[in-house]
Amino acid sequence: DSGVTQTPKHLITATGQRVTLRCSPRSGDLSVYWYQQSLDQGLQFLIQYYNGEERAKGNILERFSAQQFPDLHSELNLSSLELGDSALYFCASSVVGTSGTDTQYFGPGTRLTVL
Amino acid sequence: AQKVTQAQTEISVVEKEDVTLDCVYETRDTTYYLFWYKQPPSGELVFLIRRNSFDEQNEISGRYSWNFQKSTSSFNFTITASQVVDSAVYFCALWDYKLSFGAGTTVTVRA
Repeated sequence: DSGVTQTPKHLITATGQRVTLRCSPRSGDLSVYWYQQSLDQGLQFLIQYYNGEERAKGNILERFSAQQFPDLHSELNLSSLELGDSALYFCASSVVGTSGTDTQYFGPGTRLTVL
Repeated sequence: AQKVTQAQTEISVVEKEDVTLDCVYETRDTTYYLFWYKQPPSGELVFLIRRNSFDEQNEISGRYSWNFQKSTSSFNFTITASQVVDSAVYFCALWDYKLSFGAGTTVTVRA
């Protein structure tokens, strides 16, 4: 158990809908990261937040957005869902997140299925 | 451009055999970090090891060992005396300012 929690574990929805994925980082970690894992794209970094502020952006679509709240939990919002958004979405956390000495620990993931 | 290449898609071995996973990376930075993660069938991503670009010393940790060579931009990972529980997808990752993962190598250890 990494200490990172994600809810829900599974999510099934329809095209065009909007969903919210939730992540709670390990105790003491200030940085939260979101990743998407799909068969065709592999593991892709989406976005990083540090202490409530956006720190780095990866291959995140404009239909997707995220935020980190004062209690440090984070939410990833996916809207206008398409079939291709079906994937496993991981959240990770690390203490600070400014260097590679800061190992990222991953949550169990949320499996999103868009029908 | 792909930053991390894991050329081996699948490896199948019999229990107690050694398994070596290849990883080649690409970066222009002089300071970077390399990682290996494991994803068992249950789906979670488990951190295994981390190495920084200034330390090419190869180490052994239990049944895991790694061979980091900057001259060839390689960061290979070996599981010694494999066990069925080692069956998983193994990812090599490079951190320069974000984590970039390779495509993964599926390791199947047969009893």
